[in-house]
Amino acid sequence: DAGITQSPRYKITETGRQVTLMCHQTWSHSYMFWYRQDLGHGLRLIYYSAAADITDKGEVPDGYVVSRSKTENFPLTLESATRSQTSVYFCASSEEGRNSPLHFGNGTRLTVT
Amino acid sequence: AQSVTQLDSQVPVFEEAPVELRCNYSSSVSVYLFWYVQYPNQGLQLLLKYLSGSTLVKGINGFEAEFNKSQTSFHLRKPSVHISDTAEYFCAVRTGGGNKLTFGTGTQLKVEL
Repeated sequence: DAGITQSPRYKITETGRQVTLMCHQTWSHSYMFWYRQDLGHGLRLIYYSAAADITDKGEVPDGYVVSRSKTENFPLTLESATRSQTSVYFCASSEEGRNSPLHFGNGTRLTVT
Repeated sequence: AQSVTQLDSQVPVFEEAPVELRCNYSSSVSVYLFWYVQYPNQGLQLLLKYLSGSTLVKGINGFEAEFNKSQTSFHLRKPSVHISDTAEYFCAVRTGGGNKLTFGTGTQLKVEL
C-alpha cells in the first residue's frame, strides 16, 4: 500500500543505548521530516531532508543523527539515548512546492528507561 | 522566525454545538497556514490549508477556517460537532524555504453527549 510507514510502533530502550527509528515512504516525495511530540510542546522539528543526501537541522537536533541515502528512507538514530528523548516520534513527507502539505506516519512511541 | 499560538489547550463542547478553535500566527511575510487533526494513537491528518485567495477555507469533515491578516489569526470552526470529532487539533504555519511546518501546541477538543 502506498503511504508512509514507521517502525517500530513502540520501543523501550535503556539510557546510553543506540536506537534507530525507521521511516519509509512510497510516494517518492522529495521532502522528509522528523518531528517529536511532547505534551505542552506540540510537534517540534528534529531534522529534515530536501532530497537524498541532503539533510538539515530543525529546532531540536541535539542527540540525533539522520541519513538519507535513498529517497524513500529517512532513518533517525539516537546515538546514546537519554530519558529526555522519551517521546512520540513522527516521520512526515511532502512533495516540493510550498503549497504541499505534510503527510504523517503513525508514529513511534519511544521510552528511555 | 514564525510561530503559532493556540490559545486553548482544551475545549469541551456538547454534541451538535458549534465550536471555534483559535490560532494566531506571527510572521511579517506571506504565510501558508494549515490545520491538522490527530486521533488517538495515530499520525496527523490534514484538515485544510490556506495558501492564498479566499480567506474562508473549507476542509474535510465539515470544518472551515478563516484567514484574517489584520488579526494574524486562522481560527478553525465547525457549526455542529459530533462525538467523532473528539481529537487533538494542530495549527501550523509555513514560511521560508525547506517546506518545514511550525506547529502550535495543540488544542484537545472533547465532545460530550
